[in-house]
Amino acid sequence: EDKVVQSPLSLVVHEGDTVTLNCSYEVTNFRSLLWYKQEKKAPTFLFMLTSSGIEKKSGRLSSILDKKELSSILNITATQTGDSAIYLCASGSSNTGKLIFGQGTTLQVKP
Amino acid sequence: EAGVAQSPRYKIIEKRQSVAFWCNPISGHATLYWYQQILGQGPKLLIQFQNNGVVDDSQLPKDRFSAERLKGVDSTLKIQPAKLEDSAVYLCASSLDAGRNTEAFFGQGTRLTVV
Repeated sequence: EDKVVQSPLSLVVHEGDTVTLNCSYEVTNFRSLLWYKQEKKAPTFLFMLTSSGIEKKSGRLSSILDKKELSSILNITATQTGDSAIYLCASGSSNTGKLIFGQGTTLQVKP
Repeated sequence: EAGVAQSPRYKIIEKRQSVAFWCNPISGHATLYWYQQILGQGPKLLIQFQNNGVVDDSQLPKDRFSAERLKGVDSTLKIQPAKLEDSAVYLCASSLDAGRNTEAFFGQGTRLTVV
């Protein structure tokens, strides 16, 4: 059965800290790894990764995929209170485009 | 560009009652997903449509849940009869074409409480 596992499940840091969130996957017909940020109800799209070793960056957030290790990391540098949210990763299947989500990492950034 | 629209935003019903949720995807998006997100968990895929055809409904509890996307645009998800454990946020998402590796965009969700 396909699965996506995230770690840690929760994290508390102070403003200015750097955090690394982990996502591992076991998916048949893997094609892509996606990261989302969920603050209230609707997850908002952050990154989609398809190639191993190529970093995607947006402001203080960056992410990279390691297909050999079947994993991805999401880095947030100089964290702000506005980064407090649940971060979700999902794997996309090449056959159907099915998206399977992990349990999420709850990040709390304290002032 | 308008986003994914869902209604209602909130719904409270008693167990054994019926409920329906509506989703209007982003214009032109062929792929539509329904997810169930229980508090503290990640979204769980219930059903995926490509246009008006079902791609995956392996985790849809078909004895009580049903979904349709008759004209390949709007979709409805129904629960009949509801159980206490159906309390969750129901998220709809759409993608231009999942077969071409495009990202999915989510609606605001419907929070269902079954009492």
